[in-house]
Amino acid sequence: EPEVTQTPSHQVTQMGQEVILRCVPISNHLYFYWYRQILGQKVEFLVSFYNNEISEKSEIFDDQFSVERPDGSNFTLKIRSTKLEDSAMYFCASSDPTLGGETQYFGPGTRLLVL
Amino acid sequence: AQSVTQLDSHVSVSEGTPVLLRCNYSSSYSPSLFWYVQHPNKGLQLLLKYTSAATLVKGINGFEAEFKKSETSFHLTKPSAHMSDAAEYFCVVSETGGYNKLIFGAGTRLAVHP
Repeated sequence: EPEVTQTPSHQVTQMGQEVILRCVPISNHLYFYWYRQILGQKVEFLVSFYNNEISEKSEIFDDQFSVERPDGSNFTLKIRSTKLEDSAMYFCASSDPTLGGETQYFGPGTRLLVL
Repeated sequence: AQSVTQLDSHVSVSEGTPVLLRCNYSSSYSPSLFWYVQHPNKGLQLLLKYTSAATLVKGINGFEAEFKKSETSFHLTKPSAHMSDAAEYFCVVSETGGYNKLIFGAGTRLAVHP
């Protein structure tokens, strides 16, 4: 069964450094999403992406964040200058427009720790 | 605005007994509702979804949920708990149709005892 994959599974970085989190969505999906879950808190929406542009973004998704689909398979989240409060589990998801796009399939997550 | 309230942060049951995880939602639009499960150190797996078809929805692993518009509820049930059901369960809402963002509840941690 096709699934969303994410790399790396864990990332440790120093405050102020740039990080890129990578995702490979399910191959025929065209909608892509990033969510995050700070330890002990709710899963929060960050951004949705369709047709090579951002469809919607949350208040969390400020100028420090960017997303890109650099090729036909990868979908990346970049944090330009990480802060301590960016430490969280980051989930990528994708959905299939032929099925209405309502069901989002999630990857296993990348646990980011900013020191 | 949409929101989800999961009424119990922790639920503990004995193996073989019924499971009830409660969820209430608030939505200005006709909602889609989902239950996702997260096992330790794993990603989010879809259990079941409601998208304006039958109000009783059956999912994987014997779980089901009933959409009750009058009560704005979408409780998750299972007749007989199994040890492998121990996990965190998230009730989720979004606007029906299209690629809308998901709004998550705070989660309910289910413990299953022998």
